[in-house]
Amino acid sequence: EVQLVESGGGLVQPGGSLRLSCVASGITVSSNYMSWVRQAPGKGLEWVSVIYRDGRTLYADSVKGRFTISRDSSRNTLYLQMNSLRPEDTAVYYCTRDATGTNPNHMDVWGEGTTVSVSS
Amino acid sequence: QSVLTQPPSVSGAPGQRVTISCTGSSSNIGAGYVVHWYQQLPGTAPKLLIYGNNNRPSGVPDRFSGSKSGTSASLAITGLQAEDEADYYCQSYDSSLRGWVFGGGTKVTVL
Repeated sequence: EVQLVESGGGLVQPGGSLRLSCVASGITVSSNYMSWVRQAPGKGLEWVSVIYRDGRTLYADSVKGRFTISRDSSRNTLYLQMNSLRPEDTAVYYCTRDATGTNPNHMDVWGEGTTVSVSS
Repeated sequence: QSVLTQPPSVSGAPGQRVTISCTGSSSNIGAGYVVHWYQQLPGTAPKLLIYGNNNRPSGVPDRFSGSKSGTSASLAITGLQAEDEADYYCQSYDSSLRGWVFGGGTKVTVL
């Protein structure tokens, strides 16, 4: 069974940092396109970042220069390093596997999410 | 303001057919990028419902169908059931933003 489990969320002050983790089972993170998607309280979905199989990365303008997506093959884990956090970054962060075969890829596996709250 | 525009809500009686529109532009849906749809039941993570405009993943009932024309796409739910009460999101890619984009979401209510 394919499963993604996020962790690392919590309460942080504006300007602070957090690192989110997403441990995968049933799939190999480095062999897949993987994304982070977030959802602010009571709001819709917002794509945050993607890492391609070849290691290329893309970011939404709202997080560019502050967030970094990466992976660790030995741990089969996806990460999202979040720096210079702002109150508007408060959201549930989901890790997804992006299945290929369509343009764009489709997010066929989702984790349960981890909650990030940015407040003083 | 989302790049892809969806109605905030739609409703229907059990057994009825409802449709949800997703309107984009020439830099996303109109540029030929496909549209995917996700269902988010209350308090849960989103789930892939339709991919590549009109394909259903294994396990998704054939009551759900998708279509695309020009700069818009639609999700249809026929034979509406109480368990279909959820938020639905469309998703595609935008070449101007160079990233994935979602619609604002549509809440489906079963009367």
